[in-house]
Amino acid sequence: DAKTTQPPSMDCAEGRAANLPCNHSTISGNEYVYWYRQIHSQGPQYIIHGLKNNETNEMASLIITEDRKSSTLILPHATLRDTAVYYCIASDEVYNQGGKLIFGQGTELSVKP
Amino acid sequence: IAGITQAPTSQILAAGRRMTLRCTQDMRHNAMYWYRQDLGLGLRLIHYSNTAGTTGKGEVPDGYSVSRANTDDFPLTLASAVPSQTSVYFCASRDRAGELFFGEGSRLTVL
Repeated sequence: DAKTTQPPSMDCAEGRAANLPCNHSTISGNEYVYWYRQIHSQGPQYIIHGLKNNETNEMASLIITEDRKSSTLILPHATLRDTAVYYCIASDEVYNQGGKLIFGQGTELSVKP
Repeated sequence: IAGITQAPTSQILAAGRRMTLRCTQDMRHNAMYWYRQDLGLGLRLIHYSNTAGTTGKGEVPDGYSVSRANTDDFPLTLASAVPSQTSVYFCASRDRAGELFFGEGSRLTVL
């Protein structure tokens, strides 16, 4: 699986958009980009994933560059409850062919009033 | 709805003792994973299993073993616990769309 690089921490004002970047310059053509977040000491929670098209769901939007070497997770109106560690992973969706799902250290997002 | 169940939720263990962390899922997912999480180090993959009967080593496999006798269960064993294995352990399974489902974690302290 491709290695991902994220900034260790970011701040965001409550009500503003939070834009979390992820670099995955070695991503291969069949690898998807997944985003998870972890609040306090709970188990990580799935947010969104995509291959090359931008994706949106009720939680967030995912913007993937045309060359697929980087992506941005967007929380359109951040709230205090969005304070968490956000992880970006690149992995082959066809899980039964392998894929170690390496998380990295993620970005610690602090949403401030 | 159970999803992923881990046991115990918390355990204090003397160094040198053997310990098995249990993980059971009821979603019939083929792929399962064990991670450990230490302060400032994020989630690190210990072992994984793509399907029943197969296992693989992750980033930090030393001191740990796993087995996958059936689809539902994926126990993690510490044969002889050491203080550096004090951590929070998360088990996860993965569905066909690639989404991971995590348990609530097992907090292990080795003294």
